[in-house]
Amino acid sequence: GENVEQHPSTLSVQEGDSAVIKCTYSDSASNYFPWYKQELGKRPQLIIDIRSNVGEKKDQRIAVTLNKTAKHFSLHITETQPEDSAVYFCAARISGGGADGLTFGKGTHLIIQP
Amino acid sequence: ETGVTQTPRHLVMGMTNKKSLKCEQHLGHNAMYWYKQSAKKPLELMFVYSLEERVENNSVPSRFSPECPNSSHLFLHLHTLQPEDSALYLCASSRGQGGEKLFFGSGTQLSVL
Repeated sequence: GENVEQHPSTLSVQEGDSAVIKCTYSDSASNYFPWYKQELGKRPQLIIDIRSNVGEKKDQRIAVTLNKTAKHFSLHITETQPEDSAVYFCAARISGGGADGLTFGKGTHLIIQP
Repeated sequence: ETGVTQTPRHLVMGMTNKKSLKCEQHLGHNAMYWYKQSAKKPLELMFVYSLEERVENNSVPSRFSPECPNSSHLFLHLHTLQPEDSALYLCASSRGQGGEKLFFGSGTQLSVL
């Protein structure tokens, strides 16, 4: 089955700086890669997702890049703000798989220092 | 609160108790899910329902019993739980059953004594 590794587990950056969270996956058949943000005590929320036929996707200060050859994908947050502090989860889903083909990483706790 | 609503928010139960978690979605989605979230572990899929039919059961112990009476409501019936079952139980919904663009509820924080 799919295995998703996420790094780092904790990331502290100064407000205004950029943050990068990286995930690797094991199954080359994976074709869908979402990122979820979970603020303390709140629900996970989808912030961006990408499919394997696209190498990069941007939405304002957030971008995701995908390297299919190396089987890794990354979340980039620019001009970080205090409200970006949260736990971020990546996931990968195997092509043709249902929901059980969606494997999550363990999460990255992003801390924005004022 | 709109979207996906879960009750109760917190639950403490003994190992011999029987309780139920409730989830309701107001998004017109066709699929509903139960996930378990434990500290320092990835989100674990427990059950998936699509149009009220169970389509996934990820080797979950029988002490967890799901019920989906219609496409808007999902229950998780709990009995004879173990302390290691203590976790945050998240309900989610999506338009299709493939796990894309999940809308999560706020979860039920369960403690088993």
